[in-house]
Amino acid sequence: AQSVTQPDIHITVSEGASLELRCNYSYGATPYLFWYVQSPGQGLQLLLKYFSGDTLVQGIKGFEAEFKRSQSSFNLRKPSVHWSDAAEYFCAVGLNYGGSQGNLIFGKGTKLSVKP
Amino acid sequence: KAGVTQTPRYLIKTRGQQVTLSCSPISGHRSVSWYQQTPGQGLQFLFEYFSETQRNKGNFPGRFSGRQFSNSRSEMNVSTLELGDSALYLCASRPGQGLTETQYFGPGTRLLVL
Repeated sequence: AQSVTQPDIHITVSEGASLELRCNYSYGATPYLFWYVQSPGQGLQLLLKYFSGDTLVQGIKGFEAEFKRSQSSFNLRKPSVHWSDAAEYFCAVGLNYGGSQGNLIFGKGTKLSVKP
Repeated sequence: KAGVTQTPRYLIKTRGQQVTLSCSPISGHRSVSWYQQTPGQGLQFLFEYFSETQRNKGNFPGRFSGRQFSNSRSEMNVSTLELGDSALYLCASRPGQGLTETQYFGPGTRLLVL
């Protein structure tokens, strides 16, 4: 069955430090991968997405992610974290239903805290 | 363009009651999906509507239902509420059903069942 695993429930980093959030997926076909961010009391905002092509994708707010098929991973990175990045981050895979995009399968999320 | 809007934002109900939540997609978007978010189960897909037809359904009991109108607005209904239905209900819209289309999420409706 399709699944997304985010191994880290909670991560704390110092402001200005680099960040890497891990995501592993299990999906038989070509994955369509997404990272979303959710601030407290808010909906989900798309950070970036991967469909095909260059395996390193750039997103908003200085985030990037690298797709590694051999490791079934799609890790999110940021070189220098800002206090405003404190939020919960969700990795998701979009299912392919015979050429149409189906629903998203989400990981359980990683909560990011930023120390001043 | 205005984003996805959901009403109401907050709702308190008691067990056994029913509730209807509303979602207005981004203008021009014809596909609407619903997700339930709880601390224990995380984000789970409920169903998706496109052109007023349910296209896909998640693993939820029949108490959860939805519909879509000709203007693409969607409603979801939960009948005979249970305590475990307390959750944030998120609606997402996208233009159609293409493989590479991004889902844009609304702020959610937070439902508390007492």
